[in-house]
Amino acid sequence: GQQVMQIPQYQHVQEGEDFTTYCNSSTTLSNIQWYKQRPGGHPVFLIQLVKSGEVKKQKRLTFQFGEAKKNSSLHITATQTTDVGTYFCAGSGSGNNRLAFGKGNQVVVIP
Amino acid sequence: NAGVTQTPKFQVLKTGQSMTLQCAQDMNHEYMSWYRQDPGMGLRLIHYSVGAGITDQGEVPNGYNVSRSTTEDFPLRLLSAAPSQTSVYFCASSYQIGGLVQYFGAGTRLSVL
Repeated sequence: GQQVMQIPQYQHVQEGEDFTTYCNSSTTLSNIQWYKQRPGGHPVFLIQLVKSGEVKKQKRLTFQFGEAKKNSSLHITATQTTDVGTYFCAGSGSGNNRLAFGKGNQVVVIP
Repeated sequence: NAGVTQTPKFQVLKTGQSMTLQCAQDMNHEYMSWYRQDPGMGLRLIHYSVGAGITDQGEVPNGYNVSRSTTEDFPLRLLSAAPSQTSVYFCASSYQIGGLVQYFGAGTRLSVL
């Protein structure tokens, strides 16, 4: 089955610094989605990318979909304490009714 | 507009007991799904449904049953609870088109003793 892998699994980030988290798929994806889960909460949709090489920005967050549509990245600049949580990527293949989630990247922000 | 509602929020079961986790959505979404979340394992798909009367297995279906008699409701049944089913369970819904963007409920935290 389709697999989506995320690296790193854990990150400690100093407040004010930038960091990047990566997502890789074993197969070509029709789309990639990113979610954020705050501690004790539920996953919340952030963004979806569908085009090869697509880049989207949300304030301090930059999302990129690879040219081959097999990888994606999330880059956060000037990290704030509100960025703490686990970031998941998820993808599906063309015509696939199942969304495969990565194991997540748990981010701890050091004040 | 409540979104996705899950009940109960917390539950403790004894091994061998059965129970149903409830999930309801009011967004008229065709697609509904159940995930379990365990430390270090991410979100794993248990069962999903693309519409009323249609269900299919996900990645980890064993020990769970589902049915979809209406568009709004998608209950998850644990037939005979085992300690390995201790987990956080999330229900989600989405439109069938547009990439299956998932809207999650608040979750049910289940402990099986």
